[in-house]
Amino acid sequence: KAGVTQTPRYLIKTRGQQVTLSCSPISGHRSVSWYQQTPGQGLQFLFEYFSETQRNKGNFPGRFSGRQFSNSRSEMNVSTLELGDSALYLCASSLGTDSPLHFGNGTRLTVT
Amino acid sequence: AQTVTQSQPEMSVQEAETVTLSCTYDTSESDYYLFWYKQPPSRQMILVIRQEAYKQQNATENRFSVNFQKAAKSFSLKISDSQLGDAAMYFCAYITAQGGSEKLVFGKGTKLTVNP
Repeated sequence: KAGVTQTPRYLIKTRGQQVTLSCSPISGHRSVSWYQQTPGQGLQFLFEYFSETQRNKGNFPGRFSGRQFSNSRSEMNVSTLELGDSALYLCASSLGTDSPLHFGNGTRLTVT
Repeated sequence: AQTVTQSQPEMSVQEAETVTLSCTYDTSESDYYLFWYKQPPSRQMILVIRQEAYKQQNATENRFSVNFQKAAKSFSLKISDSQLGDAAMYFCAYITAQGGSEKLVFGKGTKLTVNP
């Protein structure tokens, strides 16, 4: 069974631009969640989608948004990029509550 | 709000020896799950072991075992017979068992070095 796939693996953007990251969950997984990982703040929860509905949201500004499609694939969008948005963005999928989360390899975003 | 604390930013161990990584957490909930994840340089977070809070028996996965002390809110990871491939960042994480959320709360991580 294929794992969680995140594309692209690397991105370089300039301040003020916007970016879209993609995540394809493990087949059959309906929950997709996103995390931001930085050296200073560690791993922080961004949001979680289940069956196309956002179930939970972390403490991030409205510039961070996401969505989930009917095939469970998810996208995360960051608008008006700031230098502080440089991070590794990890996506995880699971069958739902009580099931372990499986992570992708992440997308490394660099904002210059 | 739940918090997870890993007090050891870095640890080292000799190959074939045993090492214990510490984790404490704070929660007012009685039902939850605890995890240890490993993140090698490849960046992928790999699930090492999982513990249900309602189970008193400590979880074990091959060379990996935990010491779960619910009253003390402590959840340490023991790695036996350490191998070079165990070198990685290790993250302790918490998730509520209440339905409707897949939000993991992570500790800051412990960087484990395995010396040959």
